[in-house]
Amino acid sequence: QVQLVQSGAEVKKPGASVKVSCKASGYSFSDFYMHWVRQAPGQGLEWMGWINPKSGGTNYAQKFQGRVTMTGDTSIRTVYMELSSLRPDDTAVYYCARQLPSDYWGQGTLVTVSS
Amino acid sequence: DIQMTQSPSSVSASVGDRVTITCRASQSISTWLAWYQQKPGKAPKLLIFAASSLESGVPSRFSGSGSGTDFTLTISSLQPEDFATYYCQQADSFHPLIFGGGTKVEIK
Repeated sequence: QVQLVQSGAEVKKPGASVKVSCKASGYSFSDFYMHWVRQAPGQGLEWMGWINPKSGGTNYAQKFQGRVTMTGDTSIRTVYMELSSLRPDDTAVYYCARQLPSDYWGQGTLVTVSS
Repeated sequence: DIQMTQSPSSVSASVGDRVTITCRASQSISTWLAWYQQKPGKAPKLLIFAASSLESGVPSRFSGSGSGTDFTLTISSLQPEDFATYYCQQADSFHPLIFGGGTKVEIK
């Protein structure tokens, strides 16, 4: 069965970077784009972008361009989302999701940005 | 970018009620629209894709309709497990995959 397992919660200071991982299993990893979506506490869903694990190609939401980097490692079936220059309003649960629209999502990773 | 506007932002309803949620795109997205259900602390669950196609395993009381800019999610007879927040998402991959603002379905 398809599984997406994300790395654990992170606490970061403003200005730092965070790198969240998403390990996939149960399907052909290279055949599906991986998307990242975040959700601030009590707020809605916000699409951040996608990565094509086969080619490494990416497409980022304009809001995050210059601050987000999505990468992948096909040898270990894992994608990464790195967000830099963190601010308190980046505090959110970050999800990976296979090929939106999709019913295959990671469990979410809480990133807390606080001084 | 395409904007997605959902309404209402919240609705109070009783078990057995018919509930309708609308989503409007700022430009035509054909039938590139999905609907999700999200419960607190959980990842979103896909209900509908391609505007009106029911995801496998989703109860038939959920239905979607619309094309172009105007879309609707209908729950024909609200069940206790349906109290949640619902999101639409534009699914045309040539554009950012924007979500609507969400509709919280609460117990009346």
